Amino acid sequence: DVKVTQSSRYLVKRTGEKVFLECVQDMDHENMFWYRQDPGLGLRLIYFSYDVKMKEKGDIPEGYSVSREKKERFSLILESASTNQTSMYLCASSLGGSLGGYTFGSGTRLTVV
Amino acid sequence: SQQGEEDPQALSIQEGENATMNCSYKTSINNLQWYRQNSGRGLVHLILIRSNEREKHSGRLRVTLDTSKKSSSLLITASRAADTASYFCATTGNTGKLIFGQGTTLQVKP
Repeated sequence: DVKVTQSSRYLVKRTGEKVFLECVQDMDHENMFWYRQDPGLGLRLIYFSYDVKMKEKGDIPEGYSVSREKKERFSLILESASTNQTSMYLCASSLGGSLGGYTFGSGTRLTVV
Repeated sequence: SQQGEEDPQALSIQEGENATMNCSYKTSINNLQWYRQNSGRGLVHLILIRSNEREKHSGRLRVTLDTSKKSSSLLITASRAADTASYFCATTGNTGKLIFGQGTTLQVKP
C-alpha cells in the first residue's frame, strides 16, 4: 500500500534542462517536504510546505523551486539542471504540527549529464 | 545544517546480537525520531519519542532519550540479517522541520 509516490525511480537529464520531480501522497497530510541525499552529507532539506500554495525554504533551496497547487501533490523543479544536482531526491509528508512521523517516498535518483 | 551526530558511523555484528546506535543533537526538540533506510530506497519511520518521554519500546526496538545530555540511543535486540540497513535519527523543533543526522550503517552477518 504505497502512500507517498514519486513519479520516477531513475531519471537522467542534460545540463540546462528544466526538470520536474513529482510527489503525490494519499494520506491527506498537510505537510510535504523535499530532501536530497548525498554520500557524506546525509539528508538535507530543500523546500517544504505546510499548506496548499504555501512554501518555505529549507537549508539548500538554491537552484530549486517548488509548487503545491493541490494538497496531495508537491513538485520540485530544477530550473536549469546542473551536474552538482545529481543526487537522490526524497519526498516526504506528515500530519500538521510537529508531532508525527514522516512517510517517505521511494526516492528518485537523478543524474545530470 | 545537520542537527544530529550518530555514533558509530558503521557497525557490524553477528545475527542474534544486540545493536546499539547513539545520536546526539544540538538544540531543543519537540520529538526525536528514528528511521531505517535500505540500500537505495526511501526511509521508513521506526519510532518517535517525545521530549517529555525517556524510553519507548516497539517490538525489538528500544529507544531512550536524555534531554539533559541531548542524546538518544536505539537498541535493536536479537538482530537479524534483515535488519541490515542505515539508521538515522532526526529531530523536530518548533519549526516542524525534521533535521537528520548522518546515519549509522548496520551490517548483520548471518
